[in-house]
Amino acid sequence: DVKVTQSSRYLVKRTGEKVFLECVQDMDHENMFWYRQDPGLGLRLIYFSYDVKMKEKGDIPEGYSVSREKKERFSLILESASTNQTSMYLCASRLLGGYGYTFGSGTRLTVV
Amino acid sequence: GQQVMQIPQYQHVQEGEDFTTYCNSSTTLSNIQWYKQRPGGHPVFLIQLVKSGEVKKQKRLTFQFGEAKKNSSLHITATQTTDVGTYFCANQGGKLIFGQGTELSVKP
Repeated sequence: DVKVTQSSRYLVKRTGEKVFLECVQDMDHENMFWYRQDPGLGLRLIYFSYDVKMKEKGDIPEGYSVSREKKERFSLILESASTNQTSMYLCASRLLGGYGYTFGSGTRLTVV
Repeated sequence: GQQVMQIPQYQHVQEGEDFTTYCNSSTTLSNIQWYKQRPGGHPVFLIQLVKSGEVKKQKRLTFQFGEAKKNSSLHITATQTTDVGTYFCANQGGKLIFGQGTELSVKP
């Protein structure tokens, strides 16, 4: 089974801090994605990457950046955390040309 | 970007009753995927629909893609407590765009 592992399940950070959320997948998937999930809003796409060193903005990229230096790892960076970035963050991966996305267990980030 | 609207937002049913969630778009959808997220869990892929008018079944779950590819539905026959969770549709057109989800609760 494909595994998508997110480094932290729960995280509490202070306003203004630089925050790194890490995601690693073990099945050589080309495509990786970062979503945030908020009640009533579903999952919204922040950034995605079709391959190493590639990145594309999703629907809500403001305040975020990403890094994909290795195929298996896709990092989400909050440059200066704000309280409106308190959310559940979900990483996903997919084989190029494949069907379903495989999600990690999520990181619940609270910015205080 | 394309928006995918999903209704209802919540549905409470008695165990054994049927359940349906609907996914609508004002523009033509590419491929529709359906996911289930259990309480406290993460979304899990259920199925993908590609063709106009397509119908697929997984045990008590029936997935349908509209003839004009502007809507889709998921129907669960005779719900069980194990069906509890949030069901999402998503349009797969290069990137996956999710509807808001329908949260299903089942009373035993």
